[in-house]
This record gives sequence, C-alpha cells and structure tokens, in this order.
Amino acid sequence: EPEVTQTPSHQVTQMGQEVILRCVPISNHLYFYWYRQILGQKVEFLVSFYNNEISEKSEIFDDQFSVERPDGSNFTLKIRSTKLEDSAMYFCASSEMGGGSSGEQFFGPGTRLTVL
Amino acid sequence: AQKITQTQPGMFVQEKEAVTLDCTYDTSDQSYGLFWYKQPSSGEMIFLIYQGSYDEQNATEGRYSLNFQKARKSANLVISASQLGDSAMYFCAPRGQGGSEKLVFGKGTKLTVNP
Repeated sequence: EPEVTQTPSHQVTQMGQEVILRCVPISNHLYFYWYRQILGQKVEFLVSFYNNEISEKSEIFDDQFSVERPDGSNFTLKIRSTKLEDSAMYFCASSEMGGGSSGEQFFGPGTRLTVL
Repeated sequence: AQKITQTQPGMFVQEKEAVTLDCTYDTSDQSYGLFWYKQPSSGEMIFLIYQGSYDEQNATEGRYSLNFQKARKSANLVISASQLGDSAMYFCAPRGQGGSEKLVFGKGTKLTVNP
C-alpha cells in the first residue's frame, strides 16, 4: 500500500543551525502539508502546498520556514535558524484532493527534531 | 481561532466493550468535513474515519462509527468491541473554515483498553 515517507526519523541540531526535513508524498497526490506536534501537545498545521506554491500557511510558519518541491517526488521543509522551541515532531501529509472534499490526509511517520 | 474540544483527556475501557470519545467544534461553514485520527505510542497518525456535514448517514468504518449531530456541532467517535491495540491517542480534526486545506486538531483523548 502506498505511504508517505519521511527522512530522517530523528534529527538533532544546534540552535541557530539550518535543518531540512524531507518527505516523499504518495505519488498520485497533489496536495502536500506540514504539521508539527510539540511533545505532549496537539498537532498544529504549518503549511499546505499545491501546484508548486504555498496555498495556506499558519502564524507559526514565519520567515524562518520554507517549503520546496525540488523534483517530482520530494517535498521539503527548511528551518533556516533553529530555535529551542522548534523542537517537535514534524509530520508531512499528502492528499489526493484538497479542501472541501472527503480526501483524507495521509501522514508520514514523522521526523523528531531536537534543537540543543 | 477555530475551537475543537475533546473533553476527555483520558478514557479507560474493558476489552470487547464499546467506548465513545467526545468531540465538539465550532465552525461558521455550512459545508465541511471532519476526520478522526489515531496516534499510537509509536507516534504515527492513522486516519480512521471521515464525516461530511451533508452526509445523510453517520459514517461507519469497520468497528468505528460516528455519532454526528450537526446542530450541536458534535461528532463523537464510537469504537465497538475494543481491542488492546486500540490503546492510543485519538484526535478529532475538522477542516479549517472557509474551505481551508488544513486540519484543525483537538487536544486528543488518550484511550486505554484494559484486558
């Protein structure tokens, strides 16, 4: 069964460093998302991406964050200068259809980011 | 901000019994969708069931069903015949308002199934 994959599963970085989290969405999906979950808290939306551009972003997704689809399969989240409060599990998700539809979002296994 | 309320931080159920996990939400949309996800201790998010606001029937998917009351903005998840593997966090997540792409998650309910 097709699935969303994410690498790495765990990333440890020093405060101020740049990190890139990678995702391979399900191949025929058109909508891509990043969410994060700080330990013990709820899942929070960061950004959605469709047709090679950001379609929606949250207040969390400030200038430190960027997303890219560098080729036909990968979808990346870059954090330019990490802060301690960026430590969280980052989930990539994809869906075949977008808002207003029943298309469920399939989540990857997550990347646990630890900022020291 | 859109408010999703899951009033039960923790629930316990005996194996083979049914359990209901509560969810209420606010939205100004007339047409919207609502999802439930399961998060086991391993951390992944697993889609369980979807309800459209104009669906005439309550959604069912195997042992999962929704008690959807649109007027009350309530979409409670019912798990029948609980199994030990059902022990996990459960999140209610409607779509954002105004045709938004995003899912807006509640704080979740931790379900523990006892043998």
